[in-house]
Amino acid sequence: KAGVTQTPRYLIKTRGQQVTLSCSPISGHRSVSWYQQTPGQGLQFLFEYFSETQRNKGNFPGRFSGRQFSNSRSEMNVSTLELGDSALYLCASVLWADHSYEQYFGPGTRLTVT
Amino acid sequence: AQSVTQLDSHVSVSEGTPVLLRCNYSSSYSPSLFWYVQHPNKGLQLLLKYTSAATLVKGINGFEAEFKKSETSFHLTKPSAHMSDAAEYFCVVSEATSSASKIIFGSGTRLSIRP
Repeated sequence: KAGVTQTPRYLIKTRGQQVTLSCSPISGHRSVSWYQQTPGQGLQFLFEYFSETQRNKGNFPGRFSGRQFSNSRSEMNVSTLELGDSALYLCASVLWADHSYEQYFGPGTRLTVT
Repeated sequence: AQSVTQLDSHVSVSEGTPVLLRCNYSSSYSPSLFWYVQHPNKGLQLLLKYTSAATLVKGINGFEAEFKKSETSFHLTKPSAHMSDAAEYFCVVSEATSSASKIIFGSGTRLSIRP
């Protein structure tokens, strides 16, 4: 099976702009989670989608939003970018099995805000 | 409340010597516990997971971890370090059902291997 795909891999934006990141999970996985990773804050959970519905959300401002499509592909959008949004954004394809789950991470999108 | 603490931000060992990365957790329920590894400029790779089965969990690349409920610990070990083990390691605690999930990442431990 193909792994988790994230596009683009690298992105440079300026303050005030908006950005959309894409994630394609492993075929057959219906759940996708998003994380932000920064040197100062570490890995922080953004949100999780399951069958096109957001069912869990981290503690991020409303500028961060996401959605999931019927083919399980997910996008996250950040509006009005701030310098502090510079980070590695990781997407995880989530497999639920035996009352537990496993997350398979993509390579990430490195966002730099100038 | 759920939390996870990785007790060391940086561990340095010599190649061929044992590795111990420490993780303590707190959880209101029976948690699932995971260890992930992240090599520079890469995504995270699952090393192993504990989900209330055997308390000693074996993972990939010779790593294993032991779940100790009395100590609320889930330390990661490897008998003999290899240069390729140099990376960032994350301990993760989760309380998850099929309808919702709550996942907390530790702050990470950077493992350095001396030749």
